[in-house]
Amino acid sequence: QVHLVESGGGVVQPGGSLRLSCAASGFTFSRYGMHWVRQAPGKGLEWVALIWNDGRSKYYADSVKGRFTISRDNSKNTLYLQMYSLRVEDTAVYYCVRDPYSSSWYEHWGQGTLVTVSS
Amino acid sequence: EIVMTQSPATLSVSPGESATVSCRASQSVGSNLAWYQQKPGQPPRLLIYGASTRATDIPARFSGGGSGTEFTLTISSLQSEDFAVYYCQQYDNWPPFTFGPGTKVEI
Repeated sequence: QVHLVESGGGVVQPGGSLRLSCAASGFTFSRYGMHWVRQAPGKGLEWVALIWNDGRSKYYADSVKGRFTISRDNSKNTLYLQMYSLRVEDTAVYYCVRDPYSSSWYEHWGQGTLVTVSS
Repeated sequence: EIVMTQSPATLSVSPGESATVSCRASQSVGSNLAWYQQKPGQPPRLLIYGASTRATDIPARFSGGGSGTEFTLTISSLQSEDFAVYYCQQYDNWPPFTFGPGTKVEI
């Protein structure tokens, strides 16, 4: 059974940094592309970043490019999102998502971790 | 960037009735479209991919149609557990992957 568990969320001041983690289990992590998708309180879904299964290719939304870094450790079955220069508008629940083909639909979602950027 | 729109924003339906949600893309996405259902406090759940293929364990009362720029999600004979927010998403032309703003299906 596919299991994705995010952690690392919390309250941070504007300009601060935070690193999110997503522990994967129940499947061969190294075979799948992984995304981060976020949802601001009461709002819709926004794609944040994609990393291919081997970690060689990474893509970002313009809203986070240059501030966020997606990475993975296939030996630890873990996905990461390093966030720098956080802004109030980055406040959201961040979901870790599995993509069957590294460029397609989102077949499995974690429960999410809440990041609050506030002074 | 491909912009996705959905209509209506809110759909009021009685249990047992059917509901149709529309999704439009600003340019053709072929059949590279997915639908998700989200209930309060839960992550989204994949319903449909490839515009019309039901995901694993999704009941047959959910059906997707369309191609190019116009798509529909139809829920026949609505059950109480179907009242939720529904999102469409394109994965044809990326980055970015883009979602519609959502349609709330309410009683």
